[in-house]
Amino acid sequence: EVQLLESGGGLVQPGGSLRLSCAASGFTFSSYAMSWVRQAPGKGLAWVSGISNSGGSTYYADSVKGRFTISRDNSKNTLSLQMNSLRAEDTAVYYCAKDKGSSAMSIDYWGQGTLVSVSS
Amino acid sequence: DIQMTQSPSTLSASVGDRVTITCRASQSISIWLAWYQQKPGKAPKLLIYKASSLESGVPSRFSGSGSGTEFTLSISSLQPDDFATYYCQQYNLDSRTFGQGTKVEIK
Repeated sequence: EVQLLESGGGLVQPGGSLRLSCAASGFTFSSYAMSWVRQAPGKGLAWVSGISNSGGSTYYADSVKGRFTISRDNSKNTLSLQMNSLRAEDTAVYYCAKDKGSSAMSIDYWGQGTLVSVSS
Repeated sequence: DIQMTQSPSTLSASVGDRVTITCRASQSISIWLAWYQQKPGKAPKLLIYKASSLESGVPSRFSGSGSGTEFTLSISSLQPDDFATYYCQQYNLDSRTFGQGTKVEIK
């Protein structure tokens, strides 16, 4: 059974940093691209970032480019999102997500999400 | 960036109705489109990928069609479990974009 377990969310002040992690199990992690998707309270889904199966290619939404960094450790089955220079508009539930293939694809599994709140 | 526009934003329907949701891309995305269902407080669920391929385990009353810039999600006979919010997502090129969502409500 595929499981994606996010951690690292919490309350942070504007301008601060936070690192999200996602522990993956139940599939061959190194074979699949992964993504982070967020959802602000009461709003729709927004793709944040993606990474290829090897980690050699990374992709970002314009809204987070230069502030967020996605990475993965295939030896530990872990996906990470380093978030710097956080803004109030980054407040959202952040979902870790598994792609259907090794590069940019649709998302077939989602974690339950971790809440990031940016406020003073 | 590719923009995705869904219509309508809200849809009121009854059990048994046929429902159609439209998603338009700001430029051609070939068939690289997915549809998701989301219920309150839950993670999204993949319904359709590559515009018309039904995800394993998804009821056959769900279907997708389209290519290029215009796509549709249809539910042939709406069931009580189908009242939810539906999102399209493009995954052409190196970025992804979701539509703003369509909430399917009970009439």
